[in-house]
Amino acid sequence: NAGVTQTPKFQVLKTGQSMTLQCAQDMNHEYMSWYRQDPGMGLRLIHYSVGAGITDQGEVPNGYNVSRSTTEDFPLRLLSAAPSQTSVYFCASSFTGDNYGYTFGSGTRLTVV
Amino acid sequence: LAKTTQPISMDSYEGQEVNITCSHNNIATNDYITWYQQFPSQGPRFIIQGYKTKVTNEVASLFIPADRKSSTLSLPRVSLSDTAVYYCLVGDWRALTFGSGTRLQVQP
Repeated sequence: NAGVTQTPKFQVLKTGQSMTLQCAQDMNHEYMSWYRQDPGMGLRLIHYSVGAGITDQGEVPNGYNVSRSTTEDFPLRLLSAAPSQTSVYFCASSFTGDNYGYTFGSGTRLTVV
Repeated sequence: LAKTTQPISMDSYEGQEVNITCSHNNIATNDYITWYQQFPSQGPRFIIQGYKTKVTNEVASLFIPADRKSSTLSLPRVSLSDTAVYYCLVGDWRALTFGSGTRLQVQP
């Protein structure tokens, strides 16, 4: 099993450009989420989904859109990139419920210039 | 959401037992306590989770007192490869908050 796969691993964008970060999991997990991690900081939750067709906002949702059309995929869209969105983005997935841990992807390092 | 407090950093030597304590005074009745490990340039990795008393797996032990207002992650006989940031999380499993974590440095 591949686990949680994030693409691309690295990306440089110009201010104002848009792009989609891809996240796919093959573990049949209902829950998926996106976090961002700025240098020397913990992870902050952007959006999450508890199943296909269901999404909700996390702590820092502004500037990002998500949709969940399948169980496997949870793409994150940056609508108009800003330098403040320079960060490492991690996707996570798990089964639903209190007693399951998240499985994280290896991250996408995004630089907005 | 329950807030957690843990030491910013800790130092240890190879072969020692390391205990990292996390304070979560406002933990809710149905909250679990979860610990993650993160190496540089990698996503966090789930280590252990518990609700009360003691939980042990092949990697670590988690001690939770009866009042559940704190928890202690115990790493037996650490090695250089245990150098990482360790996060203690409590709260809604759908929207867990990662604080700054505890940076553990293991010396030879």
